[in-house]
Amino acid sequence: EVQLVETGGGLVQPGRSLKLSCVASGFTFNNYWMSWTRQAPGKGLEWVASITNSGGSTYYPDSVKGRFTISRDNAQNTLYLQMNSLRSEDTATYYCTREYGGPLFDYWGQGVMVTVSS
Amino acid sequence: DIQMTQSPASLSASLEEIVTITCQASQDIGNWLAWYQQKPGKSPQLLIYDATSLADGVPSRFSGSRSGTQYSLKISRLQVEDIGSYYCQQAHSNPYTFGAGTKLELK
Repeated sequence: EVQLVETGGGLVQPGRSLKLSCVASGFTFNNYWMSWTRQAPGKGLEWVASITNSGGSTYYPDSVKGRFTISRDNAQNTLYLQMNSLRSEDTATYYCTREYGGPLFDYWGQGVMVTVSS
Repeated sequence: DIQMTQSPASLSASLEEIVTITCQASQDIGNWLAWYQQKPGKSPQLLIYDATSLADGVPSRFSGSRSGTQYSLKISRLQVEDIGSYYCQQAHSNPYTFGAGTKLELK
């Protein structure tokens, strides 16, 4: 059974940093591209970052480029999202997602809440 | 950026009714389109990929279609477990954008 378990969320002040982790199990982690997708409270979905299966390439939308960094440790089956210079508009539930045949997301974690507020 | 215009924003339907949700892409995305279901308080779940292909384990009452740059999700006979929100997503170009969502309720 595929499982994606996120940790690391919480309350953080504007301008500060936070790092999310996602431990994957139930599939061969290093065969798949992985992503982060977020959902602001009561709002829709927004893709945040993707990384190739080897970790050699990463992709971001302009809204987070230069502030967020996606990375992975294939030996530990773990995906990361380093978030710097956080803003109030980054407040959201962050989902770890597995990519399937392109940037389509076939498995989602349970999500972790990040609140950016003073 | 590619805009995905999803309609309706909300929908009230009866059990066994046919339900259709549409997404209009602002430019050609081919078949790079997915549909997701999100039940209240839960994570999204992939329903349809490549515009018309049913994801594993998804009931056959769900189907996807495409006409040019307009994409549709159809539920042939609405069941109580189908209540929730539905989102389309284009996977053609960075940034990979979602529609604003359709909230489906029981009448």
